[in-house]
Amino acid sequence: EVQLVESGGGLVQPGGSLRLSCAASGFTFNIYWMHWVRQAPGKGLVWVSRLNSDGSDTSYADSVEGRFTISRDNAKNTLYLQMNSLRAEDTAVYYCARDRYGDSIFDCWGQGTLVTVSS
Amino acid sequence: QSALTQPPSASGSPGQSVTISCTGTSSDVGGYNYVSWYQQHPGKAPKLVIYEVSKRPPGVPDRFSGSKSGNTASLTVSGLQAEDEADYYCNSYAGRRGVFGGGTKLTVL
Repeated sequence: EVQLVESGGGLVQPGGSLRLSCAASGFTFNIYWMHWVRQAPGKGLVWVSRLNSDGSDTSYADSVEGRFTISRDNAKNTLYLQMNSLRAEDTAVYYCARDRYGDSIFDCWGQGTLVTVSS
Repeated sequence: QSALTQPPSASGSPGQSVTISCTGTSSDVGGYNYVSWYQQHPGKAPKLVIYEVSKRPPGVPDRFSGSKSGNTASLTVSGLQAEDEADYYCNSYAGRRGVFGGGTKLTVL
């Protein structure tokens, strides 16, 4: 079964850091581009970041550029999102999503992990 | 990258058809045939229901269909059923960065 499982969310103070993980199983992880998408409480989906299959090409939304870093360990079938200098507006459920061919079509999603930034 | 524009709400009675629009620009919706639609029930992860403008993944009922004209894509749900009540989001390839629509809440009356 194709599966993505996020972890690492929690409560963090403004200015703090957190690292999210997304464990992949049931498919050949190292051939897929991967993305992070977030959803603030009661709001819509917002694209955050993407990474190509070998980890050499990244891009970020303006709102997180310079604060968040996406990476992957293909040997561990795991995607990461390092989040630094967190702000209240970063509070959201963070989803990892599999991208078929780098065409931004997300054919598999994790269940999400909640990040709350609050003092 | 600005979000794609969707109506905030749509509704229809069981058995009716409803169409949700998604308007972008020539840099996203109008420039590529990589428009996709996602269904999200409360508290659940999004699910792909349409990709490449009009294709359906395995297991998605043929009541769901998609189309595109210029910079506007559309999702049509025919023969509305109670379980179709959900939020729907469009997405388009836009080069290096991703872009979603703001979402449409579909209510089955």
